[in-house]
Amino acid sequence: DTAVSQTPKYLVTQMGNDKSIKCEQNLGHDTMYWYKQDSKKFLKIMFSYNNKELIINETVPNRFSPKSPDKAHLNLHINSLELGDSAVYFCASSQDRGRYNEQFFGPGTRLTVL
Amino acid sequence: AQKVTQAQTEISVVEKEDVTLDCVYETRDTTYYLFWYKQPPSGELVFLIRRNSFDEQNEISGRYSWNFQKSTSSFNFTITASQVVDSAVYFCALSEAFFYGGATNKLIFGTGTLLAVQP
Repeated sequence: DTAVSQTPKYLVTQMGNDKSIKCEQNLGHDTMYWYKQDSKKFLKIMFSYNNKELIINETVPNRFSPKSPDKAHLNLHINSLELGDSAVYFCASSQDRGRYNEQFFGPGTRLTVL
Repeated sequence: AQKVTQAQTEISVVEKEDVTLDCVYETRDTTYYLFWYKQPPSGELVFLIRRNSFDEQNEISGRYSWNFQKSTSSFNFTITASQVVDSAVYFCALSEAFFYGGATNKLIFGTGTLLAVQP
């Protein structure tokens, strides 16, 4: 009964490879997000989708491409991985209709680029 | 620009001490939301509280309490009688009410405060 799930939990890969991280939420929320947490624990939003529509794109390199096949899923594809992409990536979701707009986070995917 | 400042990088206390984590925010918006999240050593982010800009009442939940003061743009978090299980990084976050036809929000996080509770 996991609310927001991400796969994989750990991802180790070589520079230059392409990889994807998957996210699913079973909360019935309209909006999903990707955040990046760097080695100093700083959390920054990357993307936000509402009902499969891209709403927020925060100056992320275009090597990062989010894809939302339906409102319960938001995947993150990264091309040509670089050392600086090593981080923990968190998916989140929120119900943005009305007052209840706290974001619920997935467990995170730790990406290590060698 | 919207900004959240958590000036305390690390705090170390002994179990049963009270501890307050500071959060100061900047925003031009009149409608906004403030949050606290906990990130324990296991790494997940756990939602603790949400407060909207029109509600300045303080809140208490068990050993946790929050003091929201618009006059000083602060949203401080106090843990009473701290326990080892409270050891975590705590993030304060600010959300703009962002309207495009519906509403969404973008969380702007502070840099976090690492709380270490020693037995």
